[in-house]
Amino acid sequence: DTAVSQTPKYLVTQMGNDKSIKCEQNLGHDTMYWYKQDSKKFLKIMFSYNNKELIINETVPNRFSPKSPDKAHLNLHINSLELGDSAVYFCASSQSTSGYEQYFGPGTRLTVT
Amino acid sequence: TQLLEQSPQFLSIQEGENLTVYCNSSSVFSSLQWYRQEPGEGPVLLVTVVTGGEVKKLKRLTFQFGDARKDSSLHITAAQPGDTGLYLCAGAVGGTSYGKLTFGQGTILTVHP
Repeated sequence: DTAVSQTPKYLVTQMGNDKSIKCEQNLGHDTMYWYKQDSKKFLKIMFSYNNKELIINETVPNRFSPKSPDKAHLNLHINSLELGDSAVYFCASSQSTSGYEQYFGPGTRLTVT
Repeated sequence: TQLLEQSPQFLSIQEGENLTVYCNSSSVFSSLQWYRQEPGEGPVLLVTVVTGGEVKKLKRLTFQFGDARKDSSLHITAAQPGDTGLYLCAGAVGGTSYGKLTFGQGTILTVHP
């Protein structure tokens, strides 16, 4: 059984389009995250939600809007996609009592052309 | 902003050799984690170290947290092709119930048969 799942695995789209990435975890965790990994493999946190509340919001353009309908789901919507948004996006989850132990999804490779 | 510097960035060795990857910072971390990431997958947690000077072993992998909790090392004994992957260190600051991690830039390890 997949612990943290993301859809889609690959996303190819044109500049200016709007797209969404979905994430679900079945670990019973109360905290979820979105990370961006660039072409040099550097992994940087974007957002974190705890029990559906936004906890961490790093310096991310307003075009990126996370939504957490419940504590098992965290989606990422991106408006007006730009070339620089091309990257691999990872969802992760943890239990707040041991927040540093995070479990990652398989990633979504976004390519903007 | 806390920064973690990993070295080396690339490591290419023969099966059976030993290697050490370093993770250094000028900041103090409350805990430090090591992850391994394989192509097309998300990072997988290997270990968490919390106490200064702590040493943890995971089969042929030995992890050490520096006395001042500013640095860490990962030592692999008798490397095998299955050890190939991207190794990432990540540091947590403060009590961090919500797991805000700062990642190093990673070390790409290739073990040749």
